[in-house]
Amino acid sequence: TQLLEQSPQFLSIQEGENLTVYCNSSSVFSSLQWYRQEPGEGPVLLVTVVTGGEVKKLKRLTFQFGDARKDSSLHITAAQPGDTGLYLCAGVPLYGQNFVFGPGTRLSVLP
Amino acid sequence: DAGVTQSPTHLIKTRGQQVTLRCSPKSGHDTVSWYQQALGQGPQFIFQYYEEEERQRGNFPDRFSGHQFPNYSSELNVNALLLGDSALYLCASSFPGTSGQETQYFGPGTRLLVL
Repeated sequence: TQLLEQSPQFLSIQEGENLTVYCNSSSVFSSLQWYRQEPGEGPVLLVTVVTGGEVKKLKRLTFQFGDARKDSSLHITAAQPGDTGLYLCAGVPLYGQNFVFGPGTRLSVLP
Repeated sequence: DAGVTQSPTHLIKTRGQQVTLRCSPKSGHDTVSWYQQALGQGPQFIFQYYEEEERQRGNFPDRFSGHQFPNYSSELNVNALLLGDSALYLCASSFPGTSGQETQYFGPGTRLLVL
């Protein structure tokens, strides 16, 4: 069983549409990170959320950390083909030790 | 300033063989972590090296071992390869003085295929 679940698993949308992807856990995390990974490359860190209820914006990307620090969401406004990639959430559980990744959401933005 | 580099980029081995993958961290980083990413999945933490010692380890068998050198570069060794070891192996480095997981910079990975 995955400590971090992500949904949807796959998402294909047209350029200009908005979308939200989710990261959920039954465990509390001290912080959560979001990464984007493109084919043939390693994951690239987008943001770290630390405080329950925190909202961070990165241009057209909005990240939210749940109040209970068990879940997070990533909202993309007016998606562009350059947003295509695998979006991964990751973190260390509050009572854990090792860094864990979710399975990812594979996003495809069609021109 | 070069980022995290890994070699080789691709590798094909047969079952039972042994493999060594190499990683050079980003300049100024002293902590190196290794991850295995199977096709269609997120990366799974193998282990982390700091000051030439294994600091943390994930749920991987002893066939997976590593080493960190005085220049902070690292190797991942896998013995007695199984078909299920086929994956993208990622190396990540992080800032000195941190636990190693707050801000990680990933290399492009080594894609290993076991036949």
